[in-house]
Amino acid sequence: QVQLVQSGAEVKKPGASVKVSCKASGYSFTRYALHWVRQAPGQRLEWMGWINAGNGTTRYSQKFQDRIIITRDTSARIGYMELSSLRFEDTAFYYCARGLMTTVTHFDPWGQGTLVTVSS
Amino acid sequence: SYVLTQPPSVSVAPGKTARITCGGNDIGSKTVHWYQQRPGHAPVLVIYYDSDRPSGIPERFSGSNSENTATLTISRVEAGDEADYYCQVWDSSSDDVFGGGTKLTVL
Repeated sequence: QVQLVQSGAEVKKPGASVKVSCKASGYSFTRYALHWVRQAPGQRLEWMGWINAGNGTTRYSQKFQDRIIITRDTSARIGYMELSSLRFEDTAFYYCARGLMTTVTHFDPWGQGTLVTVSS
Repeated sequence: SYVLTQPPSVSVAPGKTARITCGGNDIGSKTVHWYQQRPGHAPVLVIYYDSDRPSGIPERFSGSNSENTATLTISRVEAGDEADYYCQVWDSSSDDVFGGGTKLTVL
C-alpha cells in the first residue's frame, strides 16, 4: 500500500538546523509531489512547501522561504525537509504528504509525523 | 491573502448529523479538500475535490461547496468521528491553505 515513513524525533538548540526524512513506498515516486506541513502544539496545520519528485522543482511558503530546503533522492525514494536557524516557535510536528502534480492537489497519504523540539 | 474560516467547535449527539463549514470569499469557485485528525495522529483525507470520497472512507462523510461556504457533512455520527477537521484550499494569493480547524465533539 502507499505509505510514507518519516524519521524519528529530534531535539535541537536555537539557531541549529534539522533535517527530516520521508521514505515513500507503494507508488511511483517520481510521478507525484511531496509536500511538507507542520503543526505546532494545539495549533492549525501550516503548509511549508513542496517538491516535484520527478524534476526536483520546489516551491516554498513565503514564511519559510529564507530557511527551508526541500530535496529528494529518487533512487532511495526519500524526500527531505531541512529547516535552519531554528527558533523555540519551530517546535512542532512536521509531516510529509503526497500530492498530485497539480496546483489544486489534496494530500494523501501523510507520514506519521516527526516531532522537532527546539530547546536550550 | 485568502482566509478560510471554520467554527472552532461543533457538538453533536450520536446518530445525528454534523455539519462543519469552511467559509471563504467565493470559495464555491475553488476546490476544497477535507481532513480528519484524531488526537495524536496524522491527518487523513476524508473528502477531496469538494465532494469525492477516498476509498475506505464511510459513505456517511459527504461534502458540498457553493458560493462562500463549503460544508463537510457527517451523517449518523459515531463516537469514533470525534476529531479535528480541517478544510484545505489553494489560492494564488495565499500560502495559508488550511482553515483553522474544527473540533467535533460527540456528546
